[in-house]
Amino acid sequence: DQQVKQNSPSLSVQEGRISILNCDYTNSMFDYFLWYKKYPAEGPTFLISISSIKDKNEDGRFTVFLNKSAKHLSLHIVPSQPGDSAVYFCAASVRQGGANNLFFGTGTRLTVIP
Amino acid sequence: DTAVSQTPKYLVTQMGNDKSIKCEQNLGHDTMYWYKQDSKKFLKIMFSYNNKELIINETVPNRFSPKSPDKAHLNLHINSLELGDSAVYFCASSQDIQSHEQYFGPGTRLTVT
Repeated sequence: DQQVKQNSPSLSVQEGRISILNCDYTNSMFDYFLWYKKYPAEGPTFLISISSIKDKNEDGRFTVFLNKSAKHLSLHIVPSQPGDSAVYFCAASVRQGGANNLFFGTGTRLTVIP
Repeated sequence: DTAVSQTPKYLVTQMGNDKSIKCEQNLGHDTMYWYKQDSKKFLKIMFSYNNKELIINETVPNRFSPKSPDKAHLNLHINSLELGDSAVYFCASSQDIQSHEQYFGPGTRLTVT
């Protein structure tokens, strides 16, 4: 039962334009959300996060939006750069057994076209 | 200065063998994790360790056993390997059990033939 879903396996965007990656979740107990970026043959790299008490968090070109009522979050990258081409994973955190357990989506492959 | 490192990067072995994957973090973090990424690219938690104590054990076969000799290391031992164990295994760490952000190693691709 996949609790975090990224329904778009891939996305292509022109350099300089906005990239919007989407993520949906089902568990209302999730209290923290994260985005990770992954290059081939490397581990996921933490990118940006947001607490469930907020609806927006911005860090440079990256902004994460959270809509709790819709159980939906999105990552905006603007302007997109060729170096942003990677697989982006959405993750949601819930407290289990004394630790914060991350549930991941299956990723969206972003290609930024020069 | 790799923050979270894993060895080996690739591991090819036959069914029935026993193997280990090593993980080390130099971030001074208290909590470490093992994840499995299957053929469908689904990344799933296997274990978490906080100060050398197991705190999460998702429904993982007992052929898999994490061992933590100290706070900076969390090794994964796998006994009687099966074809279905073929996957990429990622180690990760977080500052403490309160932290949400986890930092991942480069992964170990295990192939069981």
